[in-house]
Amino acid sequence: DQQVKQNSPSLSVQEGRISILNCDYTNSMFDYFLWYKKYPAEGPTFLISISSIKDKNEDGRFTVFLNKSAKHLSLHIVPSQPGDSAVYFCAPHASGGSYIPTFGRGTSLIVHP
Amino acid sequence: NAGVMQNPRHLVRRRGQEARLRCSPMKGHSHVYWYRQLPEEGLKFMVYLQKENIIDESGMPKERFSAEFPKEGPSILRIQQVVRGDSAAYFCASSKGKNQPQHFGDGTRLSIL
Repeated sequence: DQQVKQNSPSLSVQEGRISILNCDYTNSMFDYFLWYKKYPAEGPTFLISISSIKDKNEDGRFTVFLNKSAKHLSLHIVPSQPGDSAVYFCAPHASGGSYIPTFGRGTSLIVHP
Repeated sequence: NAGVMQNPRHLVRRRGQEARLRCSPMKGHSHVYWYRQLPEEGLKFMVYLQKENIIDESGMPKERFSAEFPKEGPSILRIQQVVRGDSAAYFCASSKGKNQPQHFGDGTRLSIL
């Protein structure tokens, strides 16, 4: 039973346009949500996060939106650049536990020049 | 200012052999986490260690797998009597504290012949 679902295995976007990556979760104990970016043959790198007390967090071209009632979050990248092509993982955790993130299966983003 | 170092990057073993994967955390980090990624899957948590102690091993298979993080030296993930299903990418992460961001190594790709 997947607690974290990233239902789009892949996404293709034109350079300069917006990329929207979605993530749904079922565990209501999750209260901190991280996004990791992963290039082939490398480990994941932390990208951006959001706490459950907020509904939006912005960092440069990256914005994460959280809808707690719908148990849904999304990562927006605008404008998208070819260097953004990577696999993006949604990884929430529950602060009351051991802070171990639960990873989704990832969405592979391809940004075309 | 090295990041998390994992070695070897690639490891090939025959069925029944032992595999030893090493992880040196970032300087100043005393918390180590091991994850496994199967093809087309997200990262699955295996074990969380803090110098000489196993804090959470809820993701570790009950048999053949063990992990340690000695007072001196790297953390070791040991897989005895490997089987084909153990083929995966194994990632190590480290953090300063349990509620701090995790920094990942580039992984060890284990292939079982």
